[in-house]
Amino acid sequence: EVQLVESGGGLVRPGGSLRLSCAASGFIFNSYSMSWVRRAPGKGLEWVSYISGSGNAIYYADSVKGRFTISRDNARSSLYLQMNSLRAEDTAVYYCANRGYYFDYWGQGTLVTVSS
Amino acid sequence: EIVMTQSPATLSVSPGERATLSCRTSQSVSSNLAWYQQKPGQAPRLLIHDTSTRATGIPARFSGSGAGTEFTLTISSLQSEDFAVYYCQQYNDWPRTFGQGTKVEIK
Repeated sequence: EVQLVESGGGLVRPGGSLRLSCAASGFIFNSYSMSWVRRAPGKGLEWVSYISGSGNAIYYADSVKGRFTISRDNARSSLYLQMNSLRAEDTAVYYCANRGYYFDYWGQGTLVTVSS
Repeated sequence: EIVMTQSPATLSVSPGERATLSCRTSQSVSSNLAWYQQKPGQAPRLLIHDTSTRATGIPARFSGSGAGTEFTLTISSLQSEDFAVYYCQQYNDWPRTFGQGTKVEIK
């Protein structure tokens, strides 16, 4: 059974940093690209970032480019999102999702709140 | 960026009735379109990919159609568990983009 479990969310002040993690199981992790998708309160879904199975191809939404960094550790079957220079508008539930075209498996999400 | 426009924003339907949700893209996405269902407090669930292919375990009452810039998700006979928010998403180009969602509520 595919499982994706996010962690690392919390309350952070504007300008601060957080590192999200996603532990994957139930599939051959290094064979799959992975993505982060978020949903802000009262808003719809927004794709954030993508990383290929090898880590060689990476894409970001313009809204986070230069502030967020996606990475993965295939030996640990883990995906990460380093978030710097956080803004109020980054407040959202962050989901890790399997693949980078359509997203067939999702974690339950981790809440990031950016507030002073 | 490909802009996704879903209509209507809210759809009021009685159980057992048919629901038709629309998604329009600002440029052609070929058949690279997916639909998701999201309920409060839950993660999104993939319903349809490649415009019309049901994901694993999705009931046959969900169907997708369309091509190019106009797409439709049809729920043939709404069940109580189908009241939720539905999103379309394109994966023809970067960045991946979602529609703003259609809320299907009980009439």
